[in-house]
Amino acid sequence: GENVEQHPSTLSVQEGDSAVIKCTYSDSASNYFPWYKQELGKRPQLIIDIRSNVGEKKDQRIAVTLNKTAKHFSLHITETQPEDSAVYFCAASGDSNYQLIWGAGTKLIIKP
Amino acid sequence: DAGVIQSPRHEVTEMGQEVTLRCKPISGHNSLFWYRQTMMRGLELLIYFNNNVPIDDSGMPEDRFSAKMPNASFSTLKIQPSEPRDSAVYFCASSAKTGRAEAFFGQGTRLTVV
Repeated sequence: GENVEQHPSTLSVQEGDSAVIKCTYSDSASNYFPWYKQELGKRPQLIIDIRSNVGEKKDQRIAVTLNKTAKHFSLHITETQPEDSAVYFCAASGDSNYQLIWGAGTKLIIKP
Repeated sequence: DAGVIQSPRHEVTEMGQEVTLRCKPISGHNSLFWYRQTMMRGLELLIYFNNNVPIDDSGMPEDRFSAKMPNASFSTLKIQPSEPRDSAVYFCASSAKTGRAEAFFGQGTRLTVV
């Protein structure tokens, strides 16, 4: 079955710098890759997703890239701000495995 | 739509008691997921339903856990008997198309078993 690994588990960056979180997946049939943000004490919420027919997607300060050959995808946050501090989860799913398989999460800390 | 609604928000119970968590998915969504979140184990999928039918319950930790979805607008997760190690935040989520569309999470139920 699908397995998703996420790195790093904790990431600390200076406010204004960029942050990159990486995930790898094992099932080449996976074709949907969402990223969720979970603030302390709150529910996970979708921030961006990408499907396997594109290599990159951008939404203001966040972007996701997908390398299907290498089976990895990454979340990029530019010009980080204090409100970006949260736990970020990646996930993967596909037609052969309809449920989302989640990464373990990355705690992003933005230092003032 | 009010989003995914879970109740109760907080539950404190004594070991051995039965606990029932409730979830109302977003109207029109055909997939419903129950997750458990702890610091040690992260976000774990317990069970998911598609069109009210349980598809995969391999994440249910043991027979003390059971889940039902009697109709498209309601689901329950029951723990009987409860144990201290069941203490966690339990999330319900729903989506319009299993695994291929955004999963909307409820606010969660924080369960404490003492």
